[in-house]
Amino acid sequence: LAKTTQPISMDSYEGQEVNITCSHNNIATNDYITWYQQFPSQGPRFIIQGYKTKVTNEVASLFIPADRKSSTLSLPRVSLSDTAVYYCLVVKNTGGFKTIFGAGTRLFVKA
Amino acid sequence: GAVVSQHPSRVICKSGTSVKIECRSLDFQATTMFWYRQFPKKSLMLMATSNEGSKATYEQGVEKDKFLINHASLTLSTLTVTSAHPEDSSFYICSARPNRGQNTEAFFGQGTRLTVV
Repeated sequence: LAKTTQPISMDSYEGQEVNITCSHNNIATNDYITWYQQFPSQGPRFIIQGYKTKVTNEVASLFIPADRKSSTLSLPRVSLSDTAVYYCLVVKNTGGFKTIFGAGTRLFVKA
Repeated sequence: GAVVSQHPSRVICKSGTSVKIECRSLDFQATTMFWYRQFPKKSLMLMATSNEGSKATYEQGVEKDKFLINHASLTLSTLTVTSAHPEDSSFYICSARPNRGQNTEAFFGQGTRLTVV
């Protein structure tokens, strides 16, 4: 399983765009990159997933360069409610493979 | 979207007793489910992989006799903390990924806060 490295914490202000970069140098060909958000005392919640280039949904964008050794989660115009821990995960593309969590990035959004 | 439900969300038990936590996939089948443990301000630590119809696979350092896992159906896995002690107090989270297709997204339960007194 590819190991991931993220910044431990980040601070931002409301309305700003936040970019969290994750490195996964040992990513394998059949690995996907998935990001989760976790609030205190709750289970992680899926944000976005991608394999290469750019993926966008209603809450975030995910940028993956051609070598796939890193990825960047982009949160547009964050609000106070986006204060949470964000986890970058590298997962296999079938259901039976376990998901290992790294340390995550603690994002704190200030007013 | 797919939902994974955990029950109970909170439980307080006395030392020496056993506690069962249920994890259900409500709208999909999952041959495999996963159990995690999380300490305050720490990341999720994978405890074991629950396999429907067969024995669970435990991560290194996790006592299988302490944390009993049963995956009796394609929608239900249970974690039983046996002879609980205060050091077992933690936040336990399960997850499941659908069997269908090549969906790589894992769905997580809301977690169970276990307090052993």
